[in-house]
Amino acid sequence: GDSVTQMEGPVTLSEEAFLTINCTYTATGYPSLFWYVQYPGEGLQLLLKATKADDKGSNKGFEATYRKETTSFHLEKGSVQVSDSAVYFCALSEGDGNNRKLIWGLGTSLAVNP
Amino acid sequence: DAGVIQSPRHEVTEMGQEVTLRCKPISGHNSLFWYRQTMMRGLELLIYFNNNVPIDDSGMPEDRFSAKMPNASFSTLKIQPSEPRDSAVYFCASSPWDPNQPQHFGDGTRLSIL
Repeated sequence: GDSVTQMEGPVTLSEEAFLTINCTYTATGYPSLFWYVQYPGEGLQLLLKATKADDKGSNKGFEATYRKETTSFHLEKGSVQVSDSAVYFCALSEGDGNNRKLIWGLGTSLAVNP
Repeated sequence: DAGVIQSPRHEVTEMGQEVTLRCKPISGHNSLFWYRQTMMRGLELLIYFNNNVPIDDSGMPEDRFSAKMPNASFSTLKIQPSEPRDSAVYFCASSPWDPNQPQHFGDGTRLSIL
């Protein structure tokens, strides 16, 4: 079945450092890809998405490009802030017809120090 | 617009008691998902509904767990009898019936079984 693999955390960075969180996937067909973020004590919220190959999703300074040739969707940010400290989840949409759900990575915890 | 609303936010009860978690999805969303999140297992999909019909309940851990969606604006997740290992954060999410659209999460119910 489809799967998502994220780099293990925790990731610890200093403010203004460059961030990369790797995400690779295996899937039949052409799924949509998502990054979600979970701040402490909150639910998950969509950060960005891409629905087809070579699409770039972007939001709040974060970017990720849907790379079909490498089956990857790595999350990047050029300069992280303390407020970016959270858990980041990569996910892909699976299924068709009446049976559709998201397949989730295990999450990567990011801590940004001032 | 109101997001996904879950109640209660916190629940502490003794083992053996019945626990009922509630969810109101976003109006117009066709799909509803129940998740459980723990440190050990991460984010697990328990069950999901499409147009109020359960599609996949393979993630429900045991017969002690049951979920219903009597109408498009309400769903419950029930645990009877509860056990300490059921302690977790339970999330409800909803989405339109479109694989390119994200799921919207509630703030979760933090459940502690003593």
